[in-house]
Amino acid sequence: DVKVTQSSRYLVKRTGEKVFLECVQDMDHENMFWYRQDPGLGLRLIYFSYDVKMKEKGDIPEGYSVSREKKERFSLILESASTNQTSMYLCASRPDRVREQYFGPGTRLTVT
Amino acid sequence: QKEVEQDPGPLSVPEGAIVSLNCTYSNSAFQYFMWYRQYSRKGPELLMYTYSSGNKEDGRFTAQVDKSSKYISLFIRDSQPSDSATYLCAMSGYNTNAGKSTFGDGTTLTVKP
Repeated sequence: DVKVTQSSRYLVKRTGEKVFLECVQDMDHENMFWYRQDPGLGLRLIYFSYDVKMKEKGDIPEGYSVSREKKERFSLILESASTNQTSMYLCASRPDRVREQYFGPGTRLTVT
Repeated sequence: QKEVEQDPGPLSVPEGAIVSLNCTYSNSAFQYFMWYRQYSRKGPELLMYTYSSGNKEDGRFTAQVDKSSKYISLFIRDSQPSDSATYLCAMSGYNTNAGKSTFGDGTTLTVKP
C-alpha cells in the first residue's frame, strides 16, 4: 500500500512565525504536490514537484515556498504565517505512469 | 468560470438508495477522470479511475464518462451509512505538466440508516 505521511495532524502557530510542514512518501513516486483545502473553495494547488530539487508554482503560491532535497520528502514552508493561511494542508504523490494521486491525512493548521 | 464544476450538494439519502454524483468540465484535453472519497478530517482516497469515455464498475460503484457532453458521473448502488463522505471529481490531461489534476469542489453525501 502507498503511504503518504505528514508530520503533524494539528498545528497551532502565531502570526509571523515560520512554519514547516513535512510530507514523506514511501513508494518512490516522482511527483509530489501540496494543496490547501478550505470550505467552499475546494482543493487548491500551492506547489508541485516532478523531480528532486525541481518545483513549480501551482495556483496559489503566494506566501509559500517548498523544498525537495530527497525524492521521498517534500516540505512546505510558510515564511511568515498569517491568519489567512489557517487551513487544511494536504500532501499528495503520484508516480509518472499513472494520473491518480495518493494523499496524506492532512495537517490542520491554525494561525492565531 | 471554473474548469470543473461539481454538483454542490449537500446530498442526503436513505440507506439503500441509488446516488448520482455529477461533474461537468470545459477543457476538452482532459483524458483521465477520477473520483476520490474523503471522510471527515481525513485525506482524499482514490475511489475510481477512468480513462477516456465509457463506464467502469467496481462493486456498488459505477463511474461514467461522456466526453461528448463533457460530463462525468459516479453512481452508488445500495448506498450504506459508511458511504457518508465528501466525493471529489478530478481530471487530468495527457500532457498536463506533472500530471496535475483539476478537482471539483466536492459533494457531501449523507446516507441515513
